Order: sequence, then structure tokens, then C-alpha cells
Amino acid sequence: QKEVEQNSGPLSVPEGAIASLNCTYSDRVSQSFFWYRQYSGKSPELIMSIYSNGDKEDGRFTAQLNKASQYVSLLIRDSQPSDSATYLCAVASGNTPLVFGKGTRLSVIA
Amino acid sequence: GAGVSQTPSNKVTEKGKYVELRCDPISGHTALYWYRQSLGQGPEFLIYFQGTGAADDSGLPNDRFFAVRPEGSVSTLKIQRTERGDSAVYLCASSLRVATDTQYFGPGTRLTVL
Repeated sequence: QKEVEQNSGPLSVPEGAIASLNCTYSDRVSQSFFWYRQYSGKSPELIMSIYSNGDKEDGRFTAQLNKASQYVSLLIRDSQPSDSATYLCAVASGNTPLVFGKGTRLSVIA
Repeated sequence: GAGVSQTPSNKVTEKGKYVELRCDPISGHTALYWYRQSLGQGPEFLIYFQGTGAADDSGLPNDRFFAVRPEGSVSTLKIQRTERGDSAVYLCASSLRVATDTQYFGPGTRLTVL
């Protein structure tokens, strides 16, 4: 059974701070890793994808992948109240469907 | 271009009834996925189509659930003899070719079984 684990939160950070969201996965052969943002009552939207070990930066977002530790994280710099949402980690390998974590609820306090 | 669309956006039905949920993927995307999301949970995989055929239907909870994609584009998720436990948001996603490609989600159909 492939599993993706996330702390459900809520994670509260003050506006302007760095939010750090973490995810671990059980399937060692996982190849593709995704972070989705989901606002309440809306569908998931892709924030970042990462396929290789190391860091990948896109604006205020940085995804970090460590395959040896089976760990992927998302850093949000200069957090804004509009970043308040649930962040879903998702993992895929080969041609298998995405396996999602339960999500971490982030609250950015103005 | 147009994203993934789903109809209806909301569906209320009575226990025991039959429902159909429709998904129209992004044009040119060969892979299509159905997920179900309950409150406080991440999306749970149901079925994955590659073209017209179901590449993986291991997530369908039981034989009351069935999905088709006859022409490799629009897909319909069919639920027979609905139960209250079927109440959830049903999400459809599509990707260009395979599961490791970025998946784009539709707005979902909220199904409520009374």
C-alpha cells in the first residue's frame, strides 16, 4: 500500500514569515512529486512539481526533494494571507496514478 | 485554452438512485483520472483512462461504480444504487500522456446522497 504522509495542521505563520510544509512517502521507486494548493470549496491547483533530488525554486515557492530519505518539502517565503489554504503532496511512479496525502492546512496571520 | 470541465457542479439524489457524472478533459490530453475527495481528506484515486481504455480501475470501491470514455475524450462516471457513504466531491483530472505528467483538475461535482 503506497502511502503519503503529511501533518494535517493547522500550521499558523505570521505574514511575511517562511512556511515549511513536509511530506514523506513510502514507495521507494516514486519518480514524480507534486505540490497542489486547494482553497476551501475549490479543486486542487498545481504549485510545483519536482523530479530530481535537490531544490527547485519558482518565485516565492521552493520544493525540496530527498529520495534517500523519501521526503519532499515545500517552502513558501514571504507568506501572504492569500497563501492560506490546504497544501496537498502527491507522488507518482511509472504509470501509476497519483497518491495524495491528506493535506496540511496553512493559515497565514496578517 | 479551456481547462477540465465537469457537470453537474452539484448533484443531490436519494439513496438507491443512479447518477452519472461527466468530465470533459483538456483537448489533446490522452490520460484522464477520476478521484473522490471527502472532507478533510486528500483526493482518493478511483480510475485512470489512457485513451479509451481503463488503464487502472483498482480504486473503484465496488461494482456499483463504473466509468467509460468511449471516444477517448469525455468520460462519464456512473454510480448505481447510491448510498449515503457515496457523498463526496468527485474530481476529474487530465494529463498529456501519463500519470507522471502534470495533472490538471476540474472544478469537481459535489454529490450528496440523502
